[in-house]
Amino acid sequence: GQQLNQSPQSMFIQEGEDVSMNCTSSSIFNTWLWYKQDPGEGPVLLIALYKAGELTSNGRLTAQFGITRKDSFLNISASIPSDVGIYFCAGRGNAGNMLTFGGGTRLMVKP
Amino acid sequence: ETGVTQTPRHLVMGMTNKKSLKCEQHLGHNAMYWYKQSAKKPLELMFVYSLEERVENNSVPSRFSPECPNSSHLFLHLHTLQPEDSALYLCASRQGYTDTQYFGPGTRLTVL
Repeated sequence: GQQLNQSPQSMFIQEGEDVSMNCTSSSIFNTWLWYKQDPGEGPVLLIALYKAGELTSNGRLTAQFGITRKDSFLNISASIPSDVGIYFCAGRGNAGNMLTFGGGTRLMVKP
Repeated sequence: ETGVTQTPRHLVMGMTNKKSLKCEQHLGHNAMYWYKQSAKKPLELMFVYSLEERVENNSVPSRFSPECPNSSHLFLHLHTLQPEDSALYLCASRQGYTDTQYFGPGTRLTVL
């Protein structure tokens, strides 16, 4: 089956720093989604990407759909303490409507 | 109430108990999902109900039994669970023509 490799697994950064994380796949994806999960809650959608090369922003967050359609990146600028959480990528390939999820990136922000 | 809701939020049960998890979506979506989230593992898809068709992950044990009486409600019936079934169980819904899934807050299940 399809697999997504998400990196890094965890990050511990200083408040105000920029953050970058990515997901890669061995197969082509048609849709990329980025979610954030706070402790004890379900994942919340941050950004959805539907076209290769697409660059989309949501406030301080920017995500890109890689031109090879096998990767995606999420950047967070000027991090703040409330950015703490686990960030998940998810993608849909050519086989049906199921999403494949990455393993998550745990972000910790030091005030 | 809006979005996707799940009840209960927390559940502790013994291995011989029978319980059910409930999910309700208020988004007018026509597909619903059950996922299992264990520590340090990717989300595992358990069941999908799409346009009243059930699709399941064949690796899910029979002690988990889904029920979808209509497009807004989804249940997960639990019986004779094992301690390794302890996890966060997430429900999600989707509108048929999109890929985006919207998640509920989850039920934290502990099996003693």
